Amino acid sequence: DAGVIQSPRHEVTEMGQEVTLRCKPISGHNSLFWYRQTMMRGLELLIYFNNNVPIDDSGMPEDRFSAKMPNASFSTLKIQPSEPRDSAVYFCASSSGQGGTEAFFGQGTRLTVV
Amino acid sequence: GENVEQHPSTLSVQEGDSAVIKCTYSDSASNYFPWYKQELGKGPQLIIDIRSNVGEKKDQRIAVTLNKTAKHFSLHITETQPEDSAVYFCAAITGANNLFFGTGTRLTVIP
Repeated sequence: DAGVIQSPRHEVTEMGQEVTLRCKPISGHNSLFWYRQTMMRGLELLIYFNNNVPIDDSGMPEDRFSAKMPNASFSTLKIQPSEPRDSAVYFCASSSGQGGTEAFFGQGTRLTVV
Repeated sequence: GENVEQHPSTLSVQEGDSAVIKCTYSDSASNYFPWYKQELGKGPQLIIDIRSNVGEKKDQRIAVTLNKTAKHFSLHITETQPEDSAVYFCAAITGANNLFFGTGTRLTVIP
């Protein structure tokens, strides 16, 4: 398996533009997590899906952020409109979701909003 | 939700010495505690984990201890090597299967 695949690896966009980050979890995994990593706040859990259903989105910072998982092999994180403070590395991770199992991370998307 | 605190934020040790990183958690229902290592430009990778029914686990130079009563767990790296230099994260899985991370410890092993 190729592991968790995220795209793009790097994204530079202007303030106010819409940004879409993509994630393909490991086949067979039924839990998917989106994290944001910054120097100041570390790894923040944004949203957690189980069997394609959002279970906990309390970490989503505000209404500008939205996430979807239309099927078991694809998820998106959208920011609209983007702001400079959204600049961070965004990670997607997946696990088999049995509670107490390893989560595998993608390589991350480095987002820069100018 | 779960609140995981991690200390120290930075740690420098001489090669061959031991390194200890400590974490506390708030949700008594948490039952799984993984540790991740993140190298520059990469996503975090699991290095060791411990479940709530075990007090200690060891894998070569790495060991973890868990005190459920006090709600704290620690990572111990012995005989540190330069390649151990990285950012280490502790984490806890809650009863709802959410995975929450500590704020990370940047470990530097000085040759």
